[in-house]
Amino acid sequence: QKEVEQNSGPLSVPEGAIASLNCTYSDRGSQSFFWYRQYSGKSPELIMFIYSNGDKEDGRFTAQLNKASQYVSLLIRDSQPSDSATYLCAVNDMRFGAGTRLTVKP
Amino acid sequence: EPEVTQTPSHQVTQMGQEVILRCVPISNHLYFYWYRQILGQKVEFLVSFYNNEISEKSEIFDDQFSVERPDGSNFTLKIRSTKLEDSAMYFCASRALETHSPLHFGNGTRLTVT
Repeated sequence: QKEVEQNSGPLSVPEGAIASLNCTYSDRGSQSFFWYRQYSGKSPELIMFIYSNGDKEDGRFTAQLNKASQYVSLLIRDSQPSDSATYLCAVNDMRFGAGTRLTVKP
Repeated sequence: EPEVTQTPSHQVTQMGQEVILRCVPISNHLYFYWYRQILGQKVEFLVSFYNNEISEKSEIFDDQFSVERPDGSNFTLKIRSTKLEDSAMYFCASRALETHSPLHFGNGTRLTVT
């Protein structure tokens, strides 16, 4: 059974802080890793993807991949109240983790 | 920007009835997916579809579910005899053939079984 695990939270951070979201996966053959954001009542939307070990930055978002340890993380710098949402991790077979609910408090 | 479209946005049906949820994936995408999200719960994978056949399905996708690509544009999910517990948001998604291609989601169909 291929598993994608996320710390379900909820995670609460003050505005301007760094939010750190983590995800582990069981299938060592996984090659592509995706972070999606889902606002309540809406469909998931892609934030970024990563497939090479190391860091990948896009604006305030940084994805980190460590294939040896089978984890992928998402850092959100300078968190804003508009970042409050559920963050979903997915691997290349397109199964999702349970999601981490993030609340950014003004 | 091309998008995945789903119809209807909300479907109400009585228990035991058949429903068909419709999706139009992005035109040059070759992989198609259905997901289910019960209110307040996780996004659950149902089925993936490629080259006119199911490529993978979850344990949720039992005999009451079926998928079809009846023409070159539509991708449908049929639930044969709905149960109360089928009430959920159903998302269709598609992606391109290339490695590392992400999913593009439709806005979802909210199914309410009474």
